[in-house]
Amino acid sequence: GQSLEQPSEVTAVEGAIVQINCTYQTSGFYGLSWYQQHDGGAPTFLSYNALDGLEETGRFSSFLSRSDSYGYLLLQELQMKDSASYFCAVRVLSTGNTPLVFGKGTRLSVIA
Amino acid sequence: GAGVSQSPSNKVTEKGKDVELRCDPISGHTALYWYRQRLGQGLEFLIYFQGNSAPDKSGLPSDRFSAERTGESVSTLTIQRTQQEDSAVYLCASSLGREGLYEQYFGPGTRLTVT
Repeated sequence: GQSLEQPSEVTAVEGAIVQINCTYQTSGFYGLSWYQQHDGGAPTFLSYNALDGLEETGRFSSFLSRSDSYGYLLLQELQMKDSASYFCAVRVLSTGNTPLVFGKGTRLSVIA
Repeated sequence: GAGVSQSPSNKVTEKGKDVELRCDPISGHTALYWYRQRLGQGLEFLIYFQGNSAPDKSGLPSDRFSAERTGESVSTLTIQRTQQEDSAVYLCASSLGREGLYEQYFGPGTRLTVT
């Protein structure tokens, strides 16, 4: 089976940098995605890593280490609007249809 | 260029009644997914449609849950004999086929309340 671990809550100060970690155990691994979900809203796609290393998209970056089964989402210059839940999700290699398996989410609170 | 739409946005039903939830995916997206999200929880995979292939029903929690999809368009999720534990937000998502499943586009969800 598949399992993903991420912290349930993180609090950070406006303007600061925060890192949200995700570790996974899968029977086969293809890539790691990150999604953001504001309260009452739909999840929106942030980034995807299939290869080791850092992917940068504006204030957000995502990192993957396949050998460590580990990834993280890095948010820089935090803004109040970044307060949301962040989900990591693994794409798993398997035969047939292959859904995306989501972690339970990390609730980020940005404080002044 | 509409996104994924779902209806109704809210549904209140009595325990034991059947409900149907509808999802319209983004045009051209061959893959469609249903998830359940309980309050403050993560996304629980329910079912996945990919083109004309047999759907992956491995996430359906019981035989009271079923889903259909018409070709590569509209999908309906049906819950029979609803129970209070079915209360949740039901999210639909679509993607550009199996290769694009890491980037899913979500609808606003249907909030189901079973009284």
